[in-house]
Amino acid sequence: AAGVIQSPRHLIKEKRETATLKCYPIPRHDTVYWYQQGPGQDPQFLISFYEKMQSDKGSIPDRFSAQQFSDYHSELNMSSLELGDSALYFCASSLGGLAGDEQFFGPGTRLTVL
Amino acid sequence: ELKVEQNPLFLSMQEGKNYTIYCNYSTTSDRLYWYRQDPGKSLESLFVLLSNGAVKQEGRLMASLDTKARLSTLHITAAVHDLSATYFCAVDPPAGNEKLTFGTGTRLTIIP
Repeated sequence: AAGVIQSPRHLIKEKRETATLKCYPIPRHDTVYWYQQGPGQDPQFLISFYEKMQSDKGSIPDRFSAQQFSDYHSELNMSSLELGDSALYFCASSLGGLAGDEQFFGPGTRLTVL
Repeated sequence: ELKVEQNPLFLSMQEGKNYTIYCNYSTTSDRLYWYRQDPGKSLESLFVLLSNGAVKQEGRLMASLDTKARLSTLHITAAVHDLSATYFCAVDPPAGNEKLTFGTGTRLTIIP
């Protein structure tokens, strides 16, 4: 069965650079969630989209922005990167955007900021 | 603000033994998830618990949910080395709020 696809899988950037992470949800899923997981930490919710509209927002820095496109894929844009942004970034998708619909996680993008 | 706590944070156990991981959460929720994560890997869904009293079993793992106590347990029976991983519970708050709030995780190491 098709799963959530994330690209790139690994990304190395310098401080103050920008990065764009991409997420392709499971076919027919209309909701996308972004999570950030620092080393040894639990995943923290960043932002979510349902039917191309932002549906919820968590602890996402102002330097980050995200959107969901007409084909339901999503992009997380990160600017003025800081060392503390080094983390695993997961995208998850679900169907329906309703509380309780299971979220399926992608393989993650490992971002390293030097 | 929803808080989700797991204990223990670290668990080292011998093969063949039984143990339980606990997940407590602070606000009403009827939906709780258990995930497994290997180092540097993604989150693998283990169980979805959708109602009070729900119990699910898969192999050597069994999960249960008590919504009145706001408690879920993940029980490991006759542990084997392959179960070594970090286990997270995650809570889906009441309707209208879709994000998952994760517990702190339990790093499980099975010693041969």
